[in-house]
Formats: sequence, structure tokens, C-alpha cells
Amino acid sequence: QVQLVESGGGVFQPGRSLRLSCAASGFTFSAYFMHWVRQAPGKGLEWVALISYDGSNKYYADSAKGRFTISRDNSKNTLYLQTNSLTVEDTAVYYCARDQESGSGTAHNWFDPWGQGTLVTVSS
Amino acid sequence: QSLLTQPPSVAGAPGQRVTISCTGSSSNIGAGYDVHWYQQLPGTAPKLLIFGNINRPSGVPDRFSGSKSGTSASLAITGLQVEDEADYYCQSYDSTLSGYVFGSGTKVTVL
Repeated sequence: QVQLVESGGGVFQPGRSLRLSCAASGFTFSAYFMHWVRQAPGKGLEWVALISYDGSNKYYADSAKGRFTISRDNSKNTLYLQTNSLTVEDTAVYYCARDQESGSGTAHNWFDPWGQGTLVTVSS
Repeated sequence: QSLLTQPPSVAGAPGQRVTISCTGSSSNIGAGYDVHWYQQLPGTAPKLLIFGNINRPSGVPDRFSGSKSGTSASLAITGLQVEDEADYYCQSYDSTLSGYVFGSGTKVTVL
């Protein structure tokens, strides 16, 4: 069955770097755009980034631009999210999610399925 | 602050009907972008509930229904059940931000 499994979370000091991974299985990974979404403790969902099938196009939320980098390795069926300088505001559960095409354009697409998430805690 | 506004909470007795509103603007829902809904049970990842404003994925009970009009959308749950206690989020796209936006989230409580 379709499965997304995130890893790489933990406790990090402010200013440290981070790379999260999302291992995909049960579908043709290279045929789908992929997203990262995060959720701060007790807060709502926040879209972070989107990457195209082959990684040639990347889109970021304003809060992520210049700070986060989304990438993928289709040979390993794996999605990544990297940042070189964490802040306490980055504390959140990070989810990867598969983009589902509406047929009406990327802006109409939705997220399905989602991984179980990986918790990133940034604290000194 | 989210561009899509939802009531923080709604409550109903088992068997009742509750609705959750998702109010946007001319740069998102009002611009014609589709609205999708997700259910997040306590301690779990979000799960797709409604896509393309009104469509249910296979396996989602027909007690859940979606609608959209103007700059708003709604999720209705009829015949409320205890297992429907969860957080619900709407999602769309915003042309000003050039990115995807989620609603502020609504906690549904079954009395």
C-alpha cells in the first residue's frame, strides 16, 4: 500500500543544520510532486514546500524561502527537507505528503496521503 | 494568522448535524481555487476527507459532505458519531502568496 515514512527529527540547538527524509513506497514516486507541511505544537498546519516530479521546480512558503531546501532522489524514492540554521520557531512536526493532481492545475491540487510525521524540537 | 478562517470549535450530540465554515477572500477561495478538507484525529497525521470542494475519497462515510460558494466553503457532518471527534482543516491556494494555505482549524467535540 502507499506509504510515506519521515525520519530525521530530534532535539537540535538553534543555528544547527537539519535534514529530514521521507521514504516513499507503494507507488511510482517519480510520477508525483511532493510536499512538506509542518505543524507547531498545539497549532495548525502550515505548508512549507513543493517539488516537481524530477526536482527541476521548487516552490516555497514565504517563511521557508532562503531557509529551507526541498529536494528528492527518485532512485531512492526519497524526499528531503534541509535547513542550515534552525530557530526555535521551527519547532514542529514535519509531514511529507503526496500531491494529488486535480487535472485543473497545480493550484487546485490536494495532499494525499500524509506520512506519520517527525518531530523537530529546537531548544538551547 | 491564517488566510482561511474557521471557527475554533463546534460541538454536537451524537446523531446531530454540525457544519464547519471556511472563510477566505478573493485571492484564494473567491478566486476559484478548489477547497479540500482534512481530518486529524488526536495524535495522528491529517487524512484527506473531501477533495475538489465536494468529493469524498473512497472509504470516507457519506456523513461527510462539502460545499463551496463565493469566498467560503463548508464541511457538514450529519449523524455525528463519537469517532468524529477530531480537528478539521480546510485547504486551498492563495494567488497573493503563490502558495497553499490551510484554515485555522476546528475542533469538533461530541457531547
